[in-house]
Amino acid sequence: AQSVTQPDIHITVSEGASLELRCNYSYGATPYLFWYVQSPGQGLQLLLKYFSGDTLVQGIKGFEAEFKRSQSSFNLRKPSVHWSDAAEYFCAVGAQTKTSYDKVIFGPGTSLSVIP
Amino acid sequence: KAGVTQTPRYLIKTRGQQVTLSCSPISGHRSVSWYQQTPGQGLQFLFEYFSETQRNKGNFPGRFSGRQFSNSRSEMNVSTLELGDSALYLCASSSTGATTDTQYFGPGTRLTVL
Repeated sequence: AQSVTQPDIHITVSEGASLELRCNYSYGATPYLFWYVQSPGQGLQLLLKYFSGDTLVQGIKGFEAEFKRSQSSFNLRKPSVHWSDAAEYFCAVGAQTKTSYDKVIFGPGTSLSVIP
Repeated sequence: KAGVTQTPRYLIKTRGQQVTLSCSPISGHRSVSWYQQTPGQGLQFLFEYFSETQRNKGNFPGRFSGRQFSNSRSEMNVSTLELGDSALYLCASSSTGATTDTQYFGPGTRLTVL
C-alpha cells in the first residue's frame, strides 16, 4: 500500500540550531516528492519538490531536502532555524506515472517549535 | 498577484444543516482542488475542477459536492452536516492541475459542526 510516514510528531529546536525533519514513503512507482509548510491559521505553502535529477533539492526559506531511493526517504533540512520557522511541516508523495494532485498522498505532519 | 482567497474563514453550523464554501483561485489558474484537513485523518483530497468540470474525485460521500464557474471560482457544498465534517477545508489552485505545476493554497475555511 502507498503510504507516507513522518516519524516525529513534534520537534523542538533552539533558534540557530540545525534542523532535520524525516519523511519515509512506501510507493510502488518512481515518486514525486514534496515538502509543504503550514503556519497557524494558514494554508499550505510549497517549500520544495523533487521530480528527477539531482537528489539534493533546494527550496525556499533556506530549506533543502535529499532524496535517498535506497532508504525511501526524503528528509528536510535547514542549517540554522529561525523563530519564524515554527509551523507544521508535511511531506507528500505522488507517482510520476500519475500526474494529477488527486493521487498525491500527504504525511501526517511534524509540528516544529522553536525556542528563542 | 493576489493569492487564493477563501470565504468565509470561519463557520459554525449544526447537524443536518448544509453549508457552501467559496474559493477564488489565482488569476489565470484553471484548476481548483479542495481538501479536508482534520487532526485524525490529516489532509484528504475531496475533488478537483478544471474548466467548470469535475475532473477528479476523492473518496467522500455524495453529501460533498462542488462546482466551478466560468471565471474559475469554485464552491463546495456539504449537505446534511455531521459532527465528523468539522474540519479545515482548504482550496488550492494551479495552472493546469498537473503535479508539475505548483499548487497554491488558500488559508482555509474552519467549519465547526455542533
